[in-house]
Amino acid sequence: KNEVEQSPQNLTAQEGEFITINCSYSVGISALHWLQQHPGGGIVSLFMLSSGKKKHGRLIATINIQEKHSSLHITASHPRDSAVYICAVSGGGSNYKLTFGKGTLLTVNP
Amino acid sequence: EPEVTQTPSHQVTQMGQEVILRCVPISNHLYFYWYRQILGQKVEFLVSFYNNEISEKSEIFDDQFSVERPDGSNFTLKIRSTKLEDSAMYFCASSDRPPGFFGQGTRLTVV
Repeated sequence: KNEVEQSPQNLTAQEGEFITINCSYSVGISALHWLQQHPGGGIVSLFMLSSGKKKHGRLIATINIQEKHSSLHITASHPRDSAVYICAVSGGGSNYKLTFGKGTLLTVNP
Repeated sequence: EPEVTQTPSHQVTQMGQEVILRCVPISNHLYFYWYRQILGQKVEFLVSFYNNEISEKSEIFDDQFSVERPDGSNFTLKIRSTKLEDSAMYFCASSDRPPGFFGQGTRLTVV
């Protein structure tokens, strides 16, 4: 059973700051996912990674498969980035179920 | 953009009652999932469904729960004899590949 750990649990930043959220997992995976959850609950997929690095706008996600670790970076943070960011992993095979971390609550103040 | 639709958005039910949570997955997807998030806790996998049958279920998904795809478009989660601890946000997801698309969730409150 995969254990997914995120840090920090809570993060408060000032607008414009560079943000890093970390995720580690215990067992080999087929892919790691970064998701965003806004107040009210809806979940949106940001990235899916199996190796290397991906960038979308101000968001960058990296993964180190050997170290079983991933990071999500937000450059030039903005108050609208305030949300819960969740790391989840899928274990392979044809069942794409996800195992979730507890999430990181990010608050960006103006 | 295609989306997964869940209804209702919020349901309040009496303890011991049965509830049915409904989901309309994206039409060409083959894999369907239910997840649960108890307030303040992480999202947990309940069950996955493929080819009109359960492909995997968690230890949470006991005889109290059942899933159906009654008409080829809807995907339902039935909870029989609800308990207080069933109060949570329930998410439906569908995919043709990881990670899938999530619905907005149904907040179930058992009183």
